[in-house]
Amino acid sequence: EVQLVESGGGFVQPGGSLRLSCAASGFTFSSYVMTWVRQAPGKGLEWVSAISSGGSNTYYADSVKGRFTISRDPSKNTLYLQMDSLRDEDTAVYYCARGRALIAVLMPFDFWGQGAPVAVSS
Amino acid sequence: DIVLTQSPATLSVSPGERATLSCRASQSVSGKLAWYQQKPGQAPRLLIFAASTRATDIPARFSGSGSETEFTLTISSLQSEDFGVYYCQEYSNWPPRYTFGQGTKLEIK
Repeated sequence: EVQLVESGGGFVQPGGSLRLSCAASGFTFSSYVMTWVRQAPGKGLEWVSAISSGGSNTYYADSVKGRFTISRDPSKNTLYLQMDSLRDEDTAVYYCARGRALIAVLMPFDFWGQGAPVAVSS
Repeated sequence: DIVLTQSPATLSVSPGERATLSCRASQSVSGKLAWYQQKPGQAPRLLIFAASTRATDIPARFSGSGSETEFTLTISSLQSEDFGVYYCQEYSNWPPRYTFGQGTKLEIK
């Protein structure tokens, strides 16, 4: 059974940092593109970042480029999102999700974690 | 960047009736269009990908159609558990943007 479990969410002041983790199980982690999607309170879905199956290629939404860093550790089957210079507008539930097909980058997301809440406020 | 516009914003349908949700893209997405269902407090669930292919374990009452810029999600006979917000998403752009529509809230009448 595919499982994605996020952790590391919490409360942080503007300008602060936070690192989210997503522990994956039930599939060959190193064979799939992984991604982060967020949802601000009462709002829709916003893609944040994606990383290729091997970890060598990363992609970011313009709203987080230069502030967030996605990475993955195949030895731990874990996906990360390092969030720096956080702003009020980064407040959201952050979901990790798996690309649907092996290796391919341009794919929808077929499995999602339960989400990690992040609150940025002074 | 591609913009996805969903309509209507809210749809109220009685059980057993058909629900039709629309998604319009600002430019062609070459059929790389997915639909998700999200219920309150839950993560989104993939329903349809490649415009018309049902994801694993998705009931046959859900169907997708369309190409280029106009897409439709149809629920043929609405069940009470089908309430929620439905999002379309494109995955055609390079570099990836994975743009989502703003969502359609489906209410059970």
